[in-house]
Amino acid sequence: GDSVTQMEGPVTLSEEAFLTINCTYTATGYPSLFWYVQYPGEGLQLLLKATKADDKGSNKGFEATYRKETTSFHLEKGSVQVSDSAVYFCALAGGFKTIFGAGTRLFVKA
Amino acid sequence: DGGITQSPKYLFRKEGQNVTLSCEQNLNHDAMYWYRQDPGQGLRLIYYSQIVNDFQKGDIAEGYSVSREKKESFPLTVTSAQKNPTAFYLCASSPLPGQSPPGELFFGEGSRLTVL
Repeated sequence: GDSVTQMEGPVTLSEEAFLTINCTYTATGYPSLFWYVQYPGEGLQLLLKATKADDKGSNKGFEATYRKETTSFHLEKGSVQVSDSAVYFCALAGGFKTIFGAGTRLFVKA
Repeated sequence: DGGITQSPKYLFRKEGQNVTLSCEQNLNHDAMYWYRQDPGQGLRLIYYSQIVNDFQKGDIAEGYSVSREKKESFPLTVTSAQKNPTAFYLCASSPLPGQSPPGELFFGEGSRLTVL
């Protein structure tokens, strides 16, 4: 069945460091891919998305490119801030179901 | 503002009791979902509904029940048959595919259930 694998955390970075969180997927067909973010005690919010191969999603300085050849959707940000500390979930959607990765917790130190 | 409202935010239950978590949306979305989140794990789908008076089991439906009598409401009951109910529960909604890119979910703020 479809699945999502993302790098384990926690990831700890200093402010202004470069961020990469790896995400790979297994799916039949051509799913849409997403990154969601969860701040402490809250629900998930959509961070960015891509609906077809080679699409790049971007929002708030975060980017991810839908790579069909490597079945990947890695999240990147050039310069993280303390306010980016949260849990990040990679997800894929095909049909009515969305499948989530286990989440990667990011801590950013001032 | 449009959104999804979950209540209560925190709930404590004694073993053997049923509890019902509320989820209301005013986004006019057709599809609604319940997920369970445990520490260090991703979200697991409990139930989903695409239309009023219809719903389907997700991956971990045992010990849970739902109803969908109104488009805007999708309550979840955690029954005494659920062996390990302590978790964070998230309700979500989405337009059906064809109305927007498929699969984008809008989440409530969650309900944390603790069994004493």
